[in-house]
Formats: sequence, C-alpha cells, structure tokens
Amino acid sequence: QVQLVQSGAEVKKPGASVKVSCKASGYTFTNYAVHWVRRAPGQRLEWMGWIKAANGDTKYSQKFQDRVTITRDTSANTAYMELSSLTSEDTAVYYCVRGGSSGYDYWGQGPLVTVSS
Amino acid sequence: QTVVTQEPSLTVSPGGTVTLTCASSTGAVTSGYYPNWFQQKPGQAPRALIYSTSNKHSWTPARFSGSLLGGKAALTLSDVQPEDEAEYHCLLYYGGAQPVFGGGTKLTVL
Repeated sequence: QVQLVQSGAEVKKPGASVKVSCKASGYTFTNYAVHWVRRAPGQRLEWMGWIKAANGDTKYSQKFQDRVTITRDTSANTAYMELSSLTSEDTAVYYCVRGGSSGYDYWGQGPLVTVSS
Repeated sequence: QTVVTQEPSLTVSPGGTVTLTCASSTGAVTSGYYPNWFQQKPGQAPRALIYSTSNKHSWTPARFSGSLLGGKAALTLSDVQPEDEAEYHCLLYYGGAQPVFGGGTKLTVL
C-alpha cells in the first residue's frame, strides 16, 4: 500500500533551518510528484512547493521562494523539504503529499515543527 | 493575491444533506481549476476525497460528490453520518500550477 512516512517533530531556534524528510513506499517513486503543504495553528493549509521525482524539477510558492529548498533522493525513494531563516510564524505541521493525475491522493503524517527561543 | 473562500462552518442533522462551496476571488470556478476536496479530523492528516471537480478516490464514500454550482466548486454530502463531522478543505489550481487552499469549513453533525 502507498505510504509516505515523514521524519519526526522538531524544535528549532529562530534563525535556524529545518529539514523534513518524506520516505515513499508502495509505488514507483519517479512516476509522481511530491508536494509540501503546511498548516500553522489557526491558519489554512498552505502549499509550499513541489518536486517532480523523475527529474528533480521544482516549483515553489512565491511566499517561500527565498527560503525553501525541495530535493529528492531517488535511490532512497525520499523527498526532503528544507526551510531556512525560521521565525515563530513557521511553527506549523508540515505535510508531504503525493501528486499526480489523481490529484493529491496520499499524505504523510505531518510532523510538528516548533520555532521557539 | 488570490483568495479561495469557503463557508467557515455548517451544521447538518444526521441523515441530512449539505453542500459546501469553494469560491475564487478571480471569478467563476471552472473545471480548469481542477478542484480538489479533502477531509481533516483533529490530530490527523487531511484525507483526499475528490479530485478534478467530481472524481472520487477508491476510498471515498459514495455519499460524497463533487460538482460545479453557481460559479463555485461544491462538495455535497448526502445521508450524512456522525463520522462525517470534520473540517473540509478545497484546493484550486491557478496558472503556473500554483495551488491555493480554501480556509476550510468545519462541519458539525448535530
């Protein structure tokens, strides 16, 4: 069965970076894209960007363009999202999501990233 | 900045029918926005329900249906069950494959 298993919760200081991983199983990793979506407390879901697993092409939301980097390791069937220059407003649950012709069908469990001094 | 708007909250009785909508600040929603709908319960990740306006995933209960209604994307729940109490999110695709989520609708079954 398709699964996206993400790394665990993190606590970071303001100004630091965080890197969240997303290990895919149960499907051919390179046949799909991986999107990253976050939800801050009391806020709506927010799309951050995506990567085509086949060739590594990426597209980022303008809001995060300068701070986010999405990569993948096809040998490990894993995608990564790194967010830099963290502030308290980046405290959120970060989800990876499989994307393809059937929309956003499978979601990771979403670890909480807390930014606090 | 593009804004996608949903009803903040709705209440429905068990066995009843309710329609949730998803509007775009840019104008009428069409199939070209590929509307997606998701269900999210507290402490859980969202679960996909509908893609490309009206297509269901294999796990989507038959009582859920997606459509376009009055210039908006719509999600209709028929014969609502207590377990349908959740938050529902819509997503629309804009130019350049930039998806935007709505603010979510909290559905109460009472």
